[in-house]
Amino acid sequence: DAMVIQNPRYQVTQFGKPVTLSCSQTLNHNVMYWYQQKSSQAPKLLFHYYDKDFNNEADTPDNFQSRRPNTSFCFLDIRSPGLGDAAMYLCATSGGQGTDTQYFGPGTRLTVL
Amino acid sequence: DQQVKQNSPSLSVQEGRISILNCDYTNSMFDYFLWYKKYPAEGPTFLISISSIKDKNEDGRFTVFLNKSAKHLSLHIVPSQPGDSAVYFCAENPFYFGTGTSLTVIP
Repeated sequence: DAMVIQNPRYQVTQFGKPVTLSCSQTLNHNVMYWYQQKSSQAPKLLFHYYDKDFNNEADTPDNFQSRRPNTSFCFLDIRSPGLGDAAMYLCATSGGQGTDTQYFGPGTRLTVL
Repeated sequence: DQQVKQNSPSLSVQEGRISILNCDYTNSMFDYFLWYKKYPAEGPTFLISISSIKDKNEDGRFTVFLNKSAKHLSLHIVPSQPGDSAVYFCAENPFYFGTGTSLTVIP
């Protein structure tokens, strides 16, 4: 049974055209994370929500925004995608304690034309 | 700057032998590490963790060793099986991931 679901799995957008990636979870976890992973690189944390509290990493570009309307859903909005934003975007959840395991979704592969 | 480093992009091991995957970190304040396993077209899945109060944690065929003075940890898989073929990520949860090591276990 899928616990962290990401839609779509593959997304193609045009340079500068806003795009939204979605993530949902059935685990009722407090924390949701968004990572960006470019080819042969480490997943890079963009931001995370602890319940409704939003935590932005210092070097996350302003072009990236996030929304969490409820416990189950979290969205990643890229306002004006550039060619450098092409990557795999991973959503993850955890219960919220420091040693909690993260559960990852399968990722959304974003292509920018 | 990469705070968690996996310097070997790939590793090949014969079935039944030991696989040793290595990870180095830069921040001595890091205190909780995890290893994740990732198959193609899937997200990473948790494999094993270790807290800085320990130097070893074992779970079946998987053992993680932590050397705090060297800022180094390693994952040992014994015996290696073909199903272990995957990319393995070391992470200081949840902020810093390594670039991963692709393990191939040859039957």
